[in-house]
Amino acid sequence: QQQVRQSPQSLTVWEGETAILNCSYEDSTFDYFPWYWQFPRESPALLIAIRPVSNKKEDGRFTIFFNKREKKLSLHITDSQPGDSATYFCADTSNTNKVVFGTGTRLQVLP
Amino acid sequence: AQTIHQWPVAEIKAVGSPLSLGCTIKGKSSPNLYWYWQATGGTLQQLFYSITVGQVESVVQLNLSASRPKDDQFILSTEKLLLSHSGFYLCAWSLTGAGNTLYFGEGSRLIVV
Repeated sequence: QQQVRQSPQSLTVWEGETAILNCSYEDSTFDYFPWYWQFPRESPALLIAIRPVSNKKEDGRFTIFFNKREKKLSLHITDSQPGDSATYFCADTSNTNKVVFGTGTRLQVLP
Repeated sequence: AQTIHQWPVAEIKAVGSPLSLGCTIKGKSSPNLYWYWQATGGTLQQLFYSITVGQVESVVQLNLSASRPKDDQFILSTEKLLLSHSGFYLCAWSLTGAGNTLYFGEGSRLIVV
């Protein structure tokens, strides 16, 4: 089965700092790279996604950087806020019927 | 607008007892449907998917079964629960085809004792 790896497993930053979350994959036939976030005791929801026609996707304080050659993505959260504290998952959507999620990064933003 | 509803919200069940979790999607015809399981603090493990009524494919074997009796309904069940079945069960839908967003329900939390 497709492997999607995320690092770090957990990350703590101070309010106002930039948090960087990493994701790597094995297959190069992706056409859509979503990131989901999940707050404690809630279900995951789409945060931001990129299609590989571009190497960068920005949405407010959240930016995805995509490196196809190295099969890596990173999610940058600038000016981190305590409300950003959540677990973040990247996902492999290359197979329409089997969406594989990464191991997740637990982000804590301290005020 | 599309809505997805799961039931029950939470259950405490005994080992060996049966289980049935349900999911209903409104406002979208013929969606792809998925069941995921999540251990506390863990990743999302896909269990089943369905692309049409009556057709369900298993992704992992966890002594669970799934059915899609109607276009807008997805059921997860087992006749005998194990302790390892405890966790958070999530139903999701997406448009057909690759590269689409998953939209999750509110989830069903299961504790097996």
